[in-house]
Order: sequence, then structure tokens, then C-alpha cells
Amino acid sequence: ILNVEQSPQSLHVQEGDSTNFTCSFPSSNFYALHWYRWETAKSPEALFVMTLNGDEKKKGRISATLNTKEGYSYLYIKGSQPEDSATYLCAFPPPNGAAGNKLTFGGGTRVLVKP
Amino acid sequence: NAGVTQTPKFQVLKTGQSMTLQCAQDMNHNSMYWYRQDPGMGLRLIYYSASEGTTDKGEVPNGYNVSRLNKREFSLRLESAAPSQTSVYFCASTRQPNTGELFFGEGSRLTVL
Repeated sequence: ILNVEQSPQSLHVQEGDSTNFTCSFPSSNFYALHWYRWETAKSPEALFVMTLNGDEKKKGRISATLNTKEGYSYLYIKGSQPEDSATYLCAFPPPNGAAGNKLTFGGGTRVLVKP
Repeated sequence: NAGVTQTPKFQVLKTGQSMTLQCAQDMNHNSMYWYRQDPGMGLRLIYYSASEGTTDKGEVPNGYNVSRLNKREFSLRLESAAPSQTSVYFCASTRQPNTGELFFGEGSRLTVL
């Protein structure tokens, strides 16, 4: 079982402020890293799938960076809005892509944006 | 566009009863998955099916069986439900294993008394 850790577990952010949080994963034999956004009472939705060291992806006010050599990814939210309140999950497939997408999920970072 | 559809959305069972959770996707995806979500535990993989006709165990398969009925449908069966199986169950699918994003169903909340 792969060790995928997210920190912090929860985060309170004032509306308009920017924030970021971390996903740590095994750096050896990296294959891909997924980010999902999970709103309460809904199902997780994919934000990004990142595969290249140094990759940066952006969707609206949310962006992510990837460092495969040191085994971490940052997710950034710029100018947080109440609708950004959700749990953000990262997930990591087996090394070298073995065994068909048995993604291991981190515990998530729960973000609450206060108006 | 329905995406991934799960039924039922809610179910209450008594210990020892059996039930099947149904999942269907209309995106022509090869790979399908069943996860459970428990407080403080995150999403854990129960079983997955890399393609029609194949299934394999995930992290927490004990007490469950699965059937990949065809390319669209992947069911999860609890033969003899236990209180430890009280959870929210999510079905998911993807076009491309490992690098393809997962599409999730809305979840099925199961309570075993």
C-alpha cells in the first residue's frame, strides 16, 4: 500500500485570500498524480492529472504544481470564494503504472472559505 | 449525459442480509472501480475491473464480491452484511488506467444494523 499524505487536514480561509496545501507521495518510479475536488453531499470530480516533473496545471483560480523528484505536489487556490469550500484529494497510481489504476487516495485537505 | 449511475442511493440492512449495489456508466470506459469512504479513512479501493471480463481485489475486498456484467455495468455484492460494512460506496470509471481521470457516481449510503 502506497503512502500518500496530505497536509494540512483542514484549512479555514477568509474569502478573497489565497491558500495552498500539499500532497506528498513516494518519489521512486513516479507515474502520475491526480487531484480531485469533493464537495459535501456530492461525488469527487477530477481537477488535474499530472505526469511530468515541473508540470503546472490551472483551472480557473485553482492551479497545481508537481515535483516528482522530491515527491510532492502543491494545490493553490487564488482569491478563495465560498464555492471553493470542499475536500481536495490527491491520488497516486502504482509505480510505473502497474496493476491498472489502483489509485491510492490521500486523506484529503478540507477547505472552508469563510465569507 | 448520465455518466456513472449508482443504485440504490440509500439502503438499511440487518446484519446477515445480502444486497447488491449496481453501477452503470455510459462513457464506454474500460475500467471500473468500487470504493468505500469512511470518516477519517479516505477513499479505499474494494475491487476493480480493468476491462470487461476481468476483476481484481483492491485494498479492502473481504466481505464483498463483484461482477463485471458487461462493459457498462459493474456490481458489488455483500453476501452477509456486517456493521463494519456501514459506509458510503462510490463506483467510478475511467477511459485510461493510471493517467485517466476517474468519473464517480453519486454514492450509495449503506447502513448495517
